[in-house]
Order: sequence, then C-alpha cells, then structure tokens
Amino acid sequence: GQNIDQPTEMTATEGAIVQINCTYQTSGFNGLFWYQQHAGEAPTFLSYNVLDGLEEKGRFSSFLSRSKGYSYLLLKELQMKDSASYLCALESQAGTALIFGKGTTLSVSS
Amino acid sequence: EAGVVQSPRYKIIEKKQPVAFWCNPISGHNTLYWYRQNLGQGPELLIRYENEEAVDDSQLPKDRFSAERLKGVDSTLKIQPAELGDSAVYLCASRPGQGLGSYNEQFFGPGTRLTVL
Repeated sequence: GQNIDQPTEMTATEGAIVQINCTYQTSGFNGLFWYQQHAGEAPTFLSYNVLDGLEEKGRFSSFLSRSKGYSYLLLKELQMKDSASYLCALESQAGTALIFGKGTTLSVSS
Repeated sequence: EAGVVQSPRYKIIEKKQPVAFWCNPISGHNTLYWYRQNLGQGPELLIRYENEEAVDDSQLPKDRFSAERLKGVDSTLKIQPAELGDSAVYLCASRPGQGLGSYNEQFFGPGTRLTVL
C-alpha cells in the first residue's frame, strides 16, 4: 500500500516563503504531483517531479528525494490568493492513477 | 479550451433516494476518472475509464454505485440507494492518452457536492 503524510494546516503572511512537506511510504511510484485546490473548486495542477531534485515554476518550486521518501512544495512571495489546500499525490508506476494525501490547508494573512 | 464540465454542482437528497452525476471531459481526453472527496481529505479514486472501458473499478462500492461511459466521451456516476455516508464532493477528471500530455496530469472538474439527509 501507500501512505502519504502532510501537515493539516499552515499559516503564513503575505510576502513570506512557506514550505509544505510531504512524506510517503510506497513500494514504488512513477512521479509525484502537487495540486492546488481553492475551497469549493477543482484541484489544479501545480508541479510534477519524476527525478530527484528541484523543479522551479515561477513563485512555486517542488523538490523530490526518492531515497528519503520526501517532497516539498515551496511557495515564494506569498499572496492572499495562495490561501488554498495543497495536495501531494503519488502517481502509480503505470502512470495511470493518483493516490492523494489529505492535503495541507494554507492560510495567508496580511 | 473548455475544461471538464460536471453537473449538477450541488445536490441534496434524502437517504435511500437515487442520485446521478454527469461529467463531460475535455475533448479528446481518452482517460476519465471519478473521485470522491470527503471534507478535509484528498480525492479517492472510484473508477477509471480508458475510452469506454472501465479498467479500474476496484474502489467502487458496487452494491450501490454504478458508472458508465457510453461512446467513450460523457460519463455518469449513479448511487442507488444513497446513504448518509455518501455525502461528499464527487470529482470527475480527465487526461489525454498515456504519454500525450506534457506532464500526464489530470484535469479536474469543479465537482458535485452531494448532501444526503
């Protein structure tokens, strides 16, 4: 089976940097996704890591270490609109299915 | 390009009643997923279609849930009869064929929020 752990809630202030961690136990996976989900809305794709290391996309970066069973999402220059739930998801080895963590609710205040 | 469309957005029913959800995926997306998302949880897969074939329905409670994807485009998910514990958001997602997307990511619809009283 697979087990994915994320902090339930985090808070931060505008302009700050926040790191959302995701640890997992799995027998194997293809890649790791991060999705953003605003309350009452659809999850939207943020990033994908298949190799170890850092993937940077504007204000958002994601890191993966397969040996440590660990990923993080780094959000820079936080804005109020970044208040949302951030979901870590493992992609099955066949690349056909996603197993999601419970998500981390981030609250950004001014 | 239109995204994944779902209807209705909200549904309130009494227990033991039937309910159906509809999903129209992004045009050309062969793979379609139905997920259930409980409050404060991540989405959990119910069923995956490749074109019109249900290739993974291992997590679908088949005693009361059914799904179909006629002609490999639109899909419906049905619950009959509904139970209190079925209250959740039902998300539909689609994806291009394997290896055809930039990151192979899934594109989600806005979901149907079901409340069973």
